Amino acid sequence: DTAVSQTPKYLVTQMGNDKSIKCEQNLGHDTMYWYKQDSKKFLKIMFSYNNKELIINETVPNRFSPKSPDKAHLNLHINSLELGDSAVYFCASSQGQGRVYGYTFGSGTRLTVV
Amino acid sequence: SQELEQSPQSLIVQEGKNLTINCTSSKTLYGLYWYKQKYGEGLIFLMMLQKGGEEKSHEKITAKLDEKKQQSSLHITASQPSHAGIYLCGADLEGSNYKLTFGKGTLLTVNP
Repeated sequence: DTAVSQTPKYLVTQMGNDKSIKCEQNLGHDTMYWYKQDSKKFLKIMFSYNNKELIINETVPNRFSPKSPDKAHLNLHINSLELGDSAVYFCASSQGQGRVYGYTFGSGTRLTVV
Repeated sequence: SQELEQSPQSLIVQEGKNLTINCTSSKTLYGLYWYKQKYGEGLIFLMMLQKGGEEKSHEKITAKLDEKKQQSSLHITASQPSHAGIYLCGADLEGSNYKLTFGKGTLLTVNP
């Protein structure tokens, strides 16, 4: 069983479109995250949710909106896609509060905006 | 400046050689994760260190967290082409508020 699963694995879309990436974890973790990995392979936090509550919202454009319907899911919706949004997006989860125990990543979603 | 500095940025070694990658923080590390990533693929978890002085090994890869908990090193013994990839350290830093902060990665090439 995959611990943190993301769909889709690949996403190619045109500029201006709206798209969503889904993430689910079956580890019973309390905290979920979205990271963006740019073309230089630098991984940077975008959002973090703890028990469905937004904890971290780094300087991410408003076009990006995370949604956590329950603590096992954290989806990422992107409006009006731009070329610069092309990247690999990783979902992750961890357990506990205050310290990041059991940090587990999904396999990533490669988004290409054309 | 970067909160977590990795060095070197890239490394080319001959098969069979040993090598070390460092990850240095300006803040106390509460947990340090090492990952490996091959081109176009996801992150492969290598190991996690929490206690100062802790050392873990997996096959020919050993990682240490120094006593003062502000630096970790990853050492590969007798490198093989299969070790090639990008090595990323991610740390739970003092004041981090539930997230891992990553270094910029080290690109390792192992020539046969």
